[in-house]
Amino acid sequence: AQSVAQPEDQVNVAEGNPLTVKCTYSVSGNPYLFWYVQYPNRGLQFLLKYITGDNLVKGSYGFEAEFNKSQTSFHLKKPSALVSDSALYFCAVRDGTGGSYIPTFGRGTSLIVHP
Amino acid sequence: EAGVAQSPRYKIIEKRQSVAFWCNPISGHATLYWYQQILGQGPKLLIQFQNNGVVDDSQLPKDRFSAERLKGVDSTLKIQPAKLEDSAVYLCASTEGSSYNEQFFGPGTRLTVL
Repeated sequence: AQSVAQPEDQVNVAEGNPLTVKCTYSVSGNPYLFWYVQYPNRGLQFLLKYITGDNLVKGSYGFEAEFNKSQTSFHLKKPSALVSDSALYFCAVRDGTGGSYIPTFGRGTSLIVHP
Repeated sequence: EAGVAQSPRYKIIEKRQSVAFWCNPISGHATLYWYQQILGQGPKLLIQFQNNGVVDDSQLPKDRFSAERLKGVDSTLKIQPAKLEDSAVYLCASTEGSSYNEQFFGPGTRLTVL
């Protein structure tokens, strides 16, 4: 069965500092990996995805993520955090190799950026 | 481009009552998903439709939950009878169809069961 782990419930960072939100996954086939952001009382919004190709993917709002197959990780990063980045972040995985197409989400990481 | 529409936004009912949620996906999106998001957890897929057919409903509690997408466009999720543990946000999402495409989410319906 596929799974996603977001080991940190909360990440605190000062504005202007780099941020990292961690995600590790388990899937039997090739992973399709996604990051979504959720603001209060809003639905999830897509940030970026890895399907194949370059391990470093760039997404919306200056976010990027690096696919690391050996460590089965897909950490979300941003070089310089903004207060407006404060939100709930979800990592998700799907099996892209003929397995279950059910998307599995992590439990989320609350990012708090301090002024 | 209009987003995914859901209604109602909020619903409060008593246990053992029934409730229905409606979702209208982005025009042209063949795949529609219903998720349950309990406070403090990630979204959990309940059911996935491809056009008007069910792709996966393995995580749908079929003794009380039902969903349909009769014309392959909008969809309804029903709970009958509701239990206290059904209190959650119910999210609808849609994609153009391929499993590598990102999902577009609606604002959700917050259900409180008293």
